[in-house]
Amino acid sequence: GDSVTQKEGLVTLTEGLPVMLNCTYQTIYSNAFLFWYVHYLNESPRLLLKSSTDNKRTEHQGFHATLHKSSSSFHLQKSSAQLSDSALYYCALPNSNNRIFFGDGTQLVVKP
Amino acid sequence: EAAVTQSPRNKVAVTGGKVTLSCNQTNNHNNMYWYRQDTGHGLRLIHYSYGAGSTEKGDIPDGYKASRPSQENFSLILELATPSQTSVYFCASGRISGNTLYFGEGSRLIVV
Repeated sequence: GDSVTQKEGLVTLTEGLPVMLNCTYQTIYSNAFLFWYVHYLNESPRLLLKSSTDNKRTEHQGFHATLHKSSSSFHLQKSSAQLSDSALYYCALPNSNNRIFFGDGTQLVVKP
Repeated sequence: EAAVTQSPRNKVAVTGGKVTLSCNQTNNHNNMYWYRQDTGHGLRLIHYSYGAGSTEKGDIPDGYKASRPSQENFSLILELATPSQTSVYFCASGRISGNTLYFGEGSRLIVV
């Protein structure tokens, strides 16, 4: 069945260092959309970026991700972490039956 | 901007009591979802709906019922609340499967 795996539960790094949050997925659908949602403390989760195009880089708010269908991956990256990036990040995969599969989330903590 | 509102935002319930969490969206989205968020588990799908009158079981439906009386409203019902249902609950809406989900502010439920 469809699934999403985020192997890091917690990522802690120093401000200014690059960020990479891993997301791999499993689906039988060749036209799958992949999403990254961000959840800041005391706010609602919201969309950060999404893609359904193989090997095309998608960018938003300084973050970027490239969907690689050959490796079933959609890793989230940023060149330089900021303190304000500290949040919970979810990778998500919808299927044709209107179900949305979320990974377990990665808590990003950026320290000065 | 899509609007999803949840009520109550905070609730303390007694074990065995009935709890109803309400969700309203003003975006005319067909799909609505109820998730619970727990540390280490991310967002887990409880129930979802394709439209008025429909409800579908998600991944963890036991102990929960759902009701979708109209396009705008989607309720989550705990007939006999238990301490294990202490959590933060998020409602979300979306037009179709590959589209963005819009989340409410969350409802924090404590069952004592």
